[in-house]
Amino acid sequence: QVQLVESGGGLVKPGGSLRLSCAASGFIFSDYYMSWVRQAPGKGLEWLSYISTISTYREYADSVKGRFAVSRDNAKNSVYLQMDSLRAEDTAVYYCARNGITTRHFDFWGQGILVTVSS
Amino acid sequence: QTVVTQEPSFSVSPGGTVTLTCALSSGSVSETDYPSWYQQTPGQAPRTLIYNTHTRSSGVPDRFSGSIVGDRAALTITGAQADDESSYYCVLYLGRGITVFGTGTEVTVL
Repeated sequence: QVQLVESGGGLVKPGGSLRLSCAASGFIFSDYYMSWVRQAPGKGLEWLSYISTISTYREYADSVKGRFAVSRDNAKNSVYLQMDSLRAEDTAVYYCARNGITTRHFDFWGQGILVTVSS
Repeated sequence: QTVVTQEPSFSVSPGGTVTLTCALSSGSVSETDYPSWYQQTPGQAPRTLIYNTHTRSSGVPDRFSGSIVGDRAALTITGAQADDESSYYCVLYLGRGITVFGTGTEVTVL
């Protein structure tokens, strides 16, 4: 069955960096676009970024453009989110999600990982 | 900036029907926005319910249905059950890989 497992979260100071990983299993990873979505405490879901199958295409939400970078390693069945210049408002649960085969929706989700930005 | 707006909350009686909507600040929602819907209970990851306007994801009960109603995307729950009490989010695809989540609707079943 499809599994997505995030790791790398934790507490980081404002201005710091963190790299999230998402390990995928149960499907042909290289066939699917992947995305990152976050949810601040008590708030709604926010799409952050996606990456195409062989990393040709990547897009970002305005809120993280220039600070976050998505990448993937198809040999390791993993997608990553490098987060730099972190701010208090980046505190959230971060989810990786598999894009559906039409790429325009999300069909499977990881369990999420908490990132806290605080001094 | 594009905003996708949903009703903040709805209450429905067990066995009742409720329709949640998803509006786009820049105009009408159509099937070419590929509306999708997600259910989330507190502390859990979202669950995919509907994609491409009306296609149910695997394992989703047929009491959940998606459509376009007027100028909005809609999610209808017919015969609501207690475990439908959740937050529901729509997503619209704006092109070039950009997707936007709606503001979310909290549904209470009582």
